[in-house]
Amino acid sequence: EPEVTQTPSHQVTQMGQEVILRCVPISNHLYFYWYRQILGQKVEFLVSFYNNEISEKSEIFDDQFSVERPDGSNFTLKIRSTKLEDSAMYFCASIPRREGGEQYFGPGTRLTVT
Amino acid sequence: QQQVKQSPQSLIVQKGGISIINCAYENTAFDYFPWYQQFPGKGPALLIAIRPDVSEKKEGRFTISFNKSAKQFSLHIMDSQPGDSATYFCAPRMDSSYKLIFGSGTRLLVRP
Repeated sequence: EPEVTQTPSHQVTQMGQEVILRCVPISNHLYFYWYRQILGQKVEFLVSFYNNEISEKSEIFDDQFSVERPDGSNFTLKIRSTKLEDSAMYFCASIPRREGGEQYFGPGTRLTVT
Repeated sequence: QQQVKQSPQSLIVQKGGISIINCAYENTAFDYFPWYQQFPGKGPALLIAIRPDVSEKKEGRFTISFNKSAKQFSLHIMDSQPGDSATYFCAPRMDSSYKLIFGSGTRLLVRP
């Protein structure tokens, strides 16, 4: 069964460093998302991406964040200068089409900022 | 407003019992009402979902009840099993961007 994959599974970085989290959505999917989950808290929407551009972003998704789909398969989330409060699980998700689209989540990347 | 309120925060049920988790929402722009199941260290996975033109949907031991006028929907797990022990999230979907708005989660423990 096709699945969303994410790398790395765990990333440790120092405050102020840049990180890139990578996702490979299911191949025929059209809509892409990033969510984050701070430990013990609910999952929060960060950004949605469709047709090679951001379609919506939350207030969490400030200028330090960016997304890219560089090669038609990978979908990346970049944090330019990490802060301690960026420590969380980051989930990528995708849906195949507009109607009836179940969001398929990847296993997540645990980001730890020290 | 996009607020989604989920209750209870945690739930302990004996094997074979019924688990009931509730979700209330305020936004009328939701068009799809899923429940996600999450095991530790894993991403959320769709368990069951309902559209607003239906009041109930059953899949095996899992049932969603939907009350559009009250803006509430609930998950019922019949004959709960220890393998159902997980965190459950309601996550209604916005009809424009299809983003999910997650509830705060319910940690379910099913005792053998």
